[in-house]
Amino acid sequence: KAGVTQTPRYLIKTRGQQVTLSCSPISGHRSVSWYQQTPGQGLQFLFEYFSETQRNKGNFPGRFSGRQFSNSRSEMNVSTLELGDSALYLCASSLEAGMAEQYFGPGTRLTVT
Amino acid sequence: AQTVTQSQPEMSVQEAETVTLSCTYDTSESDYYLFWYKQPPSRQMILVIRQEAYKQQNATENRFSVNFQKAAKSFSLKISDSQLGDAAMYFCAYRSAFSNAGNMLTFGGGTRLMVKP
Repeated sequence: KAGVTQTPRYLIKTRGQQVTLSCSPISGHRSVSWYQQTPGQGLQFLFEYFSETQRNKGNFPGRFSGRQFSNSRSEMNVSTLELGDSALYLCASSLEAGMAEQYFGPGTRLTVT
Repeated sequence: AQTVTQSQPEMSVQEAETVTLSCTYDTSESDYYLFWYKQPPSRQMILVIRQEAYKQQNATENRFSVNFQKAAKSFSLKISDSQLGDAAMYFCAYRSAFSNAGNMLTFGGGTRLMVKP
């Protein structure tokens, strides 16, 4: 089975722009979670989607949003980018919501200049 | 809210030796899961081992084992016969077992493990 894939792997954007990141979960997995990883704040939960519905949301401003499609693929969007949004964005998938095991993708490295 | 603390930012171990990484957590919940994840320099996060809070028996996975002390809210990872490939960032993580918590993981700050040949 193919693992979790994230595109693009690297991205450079300018302050004020918006960006969309994509995550394709493992085939058959219906839950997708997003995390932001920075040297200063560590790994922080952004949101989780299950069956196209946002199930949980972390403590991030409204500039961060996401969605999930009927094929379980998920996108996250960050509008009006700030320098502090530079981070590694990780996606994780699991078979069902509440299942113990999550599988992570390789991440998207976003640099905001 | 739950918190996870890893007090050792860096650890070093000689190849073939044993090393223990520490993790403490704070929660008011009685049912939860605890995990250790490994993140090598390639950045892909890999699940190393997991522990269900209701299980008293410590989880083991080949060379990896945990010491789960529920009352002390401690969850340490022991790596035996360390190998060069074990060099990575290790993250301790907590997940509530309550259904409304979904799959949200709360991570510790990580421990960078270096393995000396």
